[in-house]
Amino acid sequence: EAEVAQSPRYKITEKSQAVAFWCDPISGHATLYWYRQILGQGPELLVQFQDESVVDDSQLPKDRFSAERLKGVDSTLKIQPAELGDSAMYLCASSLGLHQETQYFGPGTRLLVL
Amino acid sequence: TQLLEQSPQFLSIQEGENLTVYCNSSSVFSSLQWYRQEPGEGPVLLVTVVTGGEVKKLKRLTFQFGDARKDSSLHITAAQPGDTGLYLCAGVRGAQKLVFGQGTRLTINP
Repeated sequence: EAEVAQSPRYKITEKSQAVAFWCDPISGHATLYWYRQILGQGPELLVQFQDESVVDDSQLPKDRFSAERLKGVDSTLKIQPAELGDSAMYLCASSLGLHQETQYFGPGTRLLVL
Repeated sequence: TQLLEQSPQFLSIQEGENLTVYCNSSSVFSSLQWYRQEPGEGPVLLVTVVTGGEVKKLKRLTFQFGDARKDSSLHITAAQPGDTGLYLCAGVRGAQKLVFGQGTRLTINP
């Protein structure tokens, strides 16, 4: 069964360092989402792509976060510089299209900033 | 501001008991989804409810969407240890934007 792949699964970094997370959505899925899930809370949308275009990045802290999906397939989320409050699970999800209800989530990258 | 409030936030019961988890909002959603998330994994979709008053059953799990499409409940009958996990409700808005509740962490003790 096709799955959303994410790497790394775990990342420990020091504050002020740069970190990057990678996501490979299910083949053929046009829409890709990045979420942040702080411990004890539900996921919050950071950015949504339709193919290579950003549909919604209203909740992305653009002073330190950036996301790209250059060829409309896999995607990278970057944080520079990382802050202590960025410690969280970063989840990637994909769906067939903009109006397709089912989002399939990857296993996430757990980030710890020291 | 949490748009979707889940209650209880934590629930620990014995195997065989029944339980209900609630998801409430002051906003109307086009549909509502329930997910289960295991530790260290991403959420997995359990069900989508679309119509006000809709009831869906998935084995021992019963999901209900409120008549006004603002609230939902998840009822588990005869809970089993395998039901342990974080249950998340998510309201669907606009172009497939999901708004998640804070989750209910359920523990079923053998």
